[in-house]
Order: sequence, then C-alpha cells, then structure tokens
Amino acid sequence: DTEVTQTPKHLVMGMTNKKSLKCEQHMGHRAMYWYKQKAKKPPELMFVYSYEKLSINESVPSRFSPECPNSSLLNLHLHALQPEDSALYLCASSQRGKSSYEQYFGPGTRLTVT
Amino acid sequence: GENVEQHPSTLSVQEGDSAVIKCTYSDSASNYFPWYKQELGKRPQLIIDIRSNVGEKKDQRIAVTLNKTAKHFSLHITETQPEDSAVYFCAAITDGGSNYKLTFGKGTLLTVNP
Repeated sequence: DTEVTQTPKHLVMGMTNKKSLKCEQHMGHRAMYWYKQKAKKPPELMFVYSYEKLSINESVPSRFSPECPNSSLLNLHLHALQPEDSALYLCASSQRGKSSYEQYFGPGTRLTVT
Repeated sequence: GENVEQHPSTLSVQEGDSAVIKCTYSDSASNYFPWYKQELGKRPQLIIDIRSNVGEKKDQRIAVTLNKTAKHFSLHITETQPEDSAVYFCAAITDGGSNYKLTFGKGTLLTVNP
C-alpha cells in the first residue's frame, strides 16, 4: 500500500461544531504531517509527528488539536473554527532517518466553515 | 529559517515546447529539493527530487538541476503535453537532525496550450 488516505473528503461545519479529520497510511512511515492549503497558495505546515510524538507545532491556534493514536493514524480535532479556517487540509507522511525525506500527500479534506 | 523563491508565477507554453521553472533557496544547509505537481482539486504529487550531492537528475521528460554554489535549482519539462498543465511547487528540506521541514516556493501555474 503506497497511499495516504484521508476522511472525509469534504466537511462543512458551523463555528460552534466539533469535528475531526482522519489520516491513515500503511507504508510504515514514522513521520506524519498536517498542512493547510489555501487556494493558489503552497501547503503551509501545521504539525509534525515523529514516532507518534509531536515534534513541530507551527504556532497553530488551539482550536486545532492534533492527535497521533498510533504509527498509522493521524487525527486533527477541530473546535470553534473561524470562516478563515476554510481550506484544504492535507496529511502527509514520510520515513524517518537519514536520507528518507520524501513526503507523500493524502488527497486532502476540503473544509468549509460557515 | 529557510526561504524558497520560485519563478515564474505563471508560465504558458505551446504543446511540444519546453518549460523551465527556477527556484532559489537561502539556507546553505538545505540538502533535499523535491518538486511537486498539483492538478486542480488534487493532492500535491512528488514528481522528481534531487539531493545536494547530485547536480542533475532526469526521469523521462522531466529533469532537475541543482547549483549548490548559487543556491538554485530548476525543473525542466521537455516535449510538454496538455496533461502537464498544473501548479508546480519547488521545496527544500534542511535536515535539522530531528525534524524534516519542507519549505515550499509559492508555485508556478503551468498551462500547456494544444
């Protein structure tokens, strides 16, 4: 299996809702990432998990809460979002260790906050 | 931190022509340079990459060159086809030892006209 999968594909939520995005990979990768991508912009790193531990938090607001339950799964819990949080949320994974830099992206979740 | 500049922001070519996209980076410690292709509504897809100990890499119609001294790298697409139309992102990774953080350029919208 050489894919990163994400669910749901689309999500519409109100500003008072709580929802979660899910990401899964079965490539044995030990680093997983959350990115946010606005239209016509590059992906913007949010969080990095390395060996199931949070290693980078790019000063993301606390209304975004990541979780890595095991080496194959990555969640992003959403609460009290703002309309400007509407974007494509991409998950990615990569090997860990020297010379293992390739990051592979999932198809993303298109989030709309109303 | 690393800064990646990408040019041009848009590029329009006739089918069969070549296309060249150029990127510069600021951190001389960066050692891995991937290129991603992103079609409208789809995930970024890794199409080619190059490491700092290599000057050029080719894969069929796609090639990447790296000039470490000048800190720039370029994507070359020959014999372009309409299906090459997409946004292309360059990126750089600085191996910080524990975190592999991708820094993206702003992207180039390539249009191949039939």
